[in-house]
Amino acid sequence: GAVVSQHPSWVICKSGTSVKIECRSLDFQATTMFWYRQFPKQSLMLMATSNEGSKATYEQGVEKDKFLINHASLTLSTLTVTSAHPEDSSFYICSARRPGPTSYEQYFGPGTRLTVT
Amino acid sequence: AQSVTQPDIHITVSEGASLELRCNYSYGATPYLFWYVQSPGQGLQLLLKYFSGDTLVQGIKGFEAEFKRSQSSFNLRKPSVHWSDAAEYFCAVGPRGFTGGGNKLTFGTGTQLKVEL
Repeated sequence: GAVVSQHPSWVICKSGTSVKIECRSLDFQATTMFWYRQFPKQSLMLMATSNEGSKATYEQGVEKDKFLINHASLTLSTLTVTSAHPEDSSFYICSARRPGPTSYEQYFGPGTRLTVT
Repeated sequence: AQSVTQPDIHITVSEGASLELRCNYSYGATPYLFWYVQSPGQGLQLLLKYFSGDTLVQGIKGFEAEFKRSQSSFNLRKPSVHWSDAAEYFCAVGPRGFTGGGNKLTFGTGTQLKVEL
């Protein structure tokens, strides 16, 4: 199988603080991980693509200084929401892709619900 | 720019009835096509995918989808719906080939399926 976990599953933080979300591929090495944001009743919006050992590629309109992404190993990527504000409250989902040119499928984590008060 | 349209925001079917969820895409060339299912508060699970070959693809949980190039559609079907199928369904497209871009997926806005007992 291809299992992706996220931690925490939900988090509440105060405005102005930072929160880190972890995304782990449990049974495979992921050279590429993706971070999505999902608003209630809406689709997934790609925030950034994270490649192991290199800087993340952010989508247009996503503040890279606000959403810090680190992909330090082949099984772990982290998303840090810095100086969080209530408008950052959302459902954050990561996905991971196996390495290799024939591997296209993304495996999704269960998501992290962030509430900023 | 690529886009994915799921024209039905909500669909309600009776248990045991057949189901068809619509998906149309706009893309420069035939993309890779995916259907995902999301249960409340959960991540996404891949139901099926189309890369090439037979235009009728079989997936998990008894789902199938048919790719119609002339209509730029990839509709999801199930002959007999079970109450456990109630969830949000997302159609997604991605660029053919593996050059650059991290194989980013573009998602439709989703269709919420309700199953009446």
